[in-house]
Amino acid sequence: QVQLQESGPGLVKPSETLSLTCTVSGGSISSSPYYWGWIRQPPGKGLEWIGSISYSERTYYNPSLESRLTISADTSKNQFSLRLSSVTAADTAVYYCARHSDTGGYQNGFHIWGQGTMATVSS
Amino acid sequence: EVVLTQSPATLSLSPGEGATLSCRASQTVYSYLAWYQQKPGQAPRLLIYDASNRATGIPTRFSGSGSGTDFTLTISSLEPEDFAVYYCQQRYAWPPLTFGGGTKVEIK
Repeated sequence: QVQLQESGPGLVKPSETLSLTCTVSGGSISSSPYYWGWIRQPPGKGLEWIGSISYSERTYYNPSLESRLTISADTSKNQFSLRLSSVTAADTAVYYCARHSDTGGYQNGFHIWGQGTMATVSS
Repeated sequence: EVVLTQSPATLSLSPGEGATLSCRASQTVYSYLAWYQQKPGQAPRLLIYDASNRATGIPTRFSGSGSGTDFTLTISSLEPEDFAVYYCQQRYAWPPLTFGGGTKVEIK
């Protein structure tokens, strides 16, 4: 079955760039009609969608983060990545990667999740 | 952006009781709404998609209803493992995909 695993540094300094990678096993990130997304959750708070990349590598960003955000895919490694620049303490959160779909006949929602990785912004 | 408002914020119930959770959208999302369960230290789990369809492996005590702007997640009889936080999420008007603020179901 498809599994996702986040990786990346747990600590990032303010004003630097947070880089995370999600490695997908058991299925290809190029498989239609899936999207591969990033969601974050600050400590004790709710869920926020960051952005997604489709099986055809089209990207979709949360407008609130778009100016600082890049999501990309490496199909040779079956990975997709997030880069968030100019981070502040407000970006401290657990970051999840997840697969979702948006098509009739599929389980439309974030139906497979990684375990999450904590990213802390601090000097 | 579609804003999802969940109520109540906290629901205090006993095992065996039924639970009714509400999610209201700021504009119509038709039936493009999902529900998730999250337990402490775990990733969310998809329960319901497209308003009323149970995801794979989800017990029948979980059901979803509604369309347009008003949605409900019903747990017919709470099991001990059902005490958790529940989120709704819409996929009609995106980006951005948006989540509600969550409802915590706690043991009374």
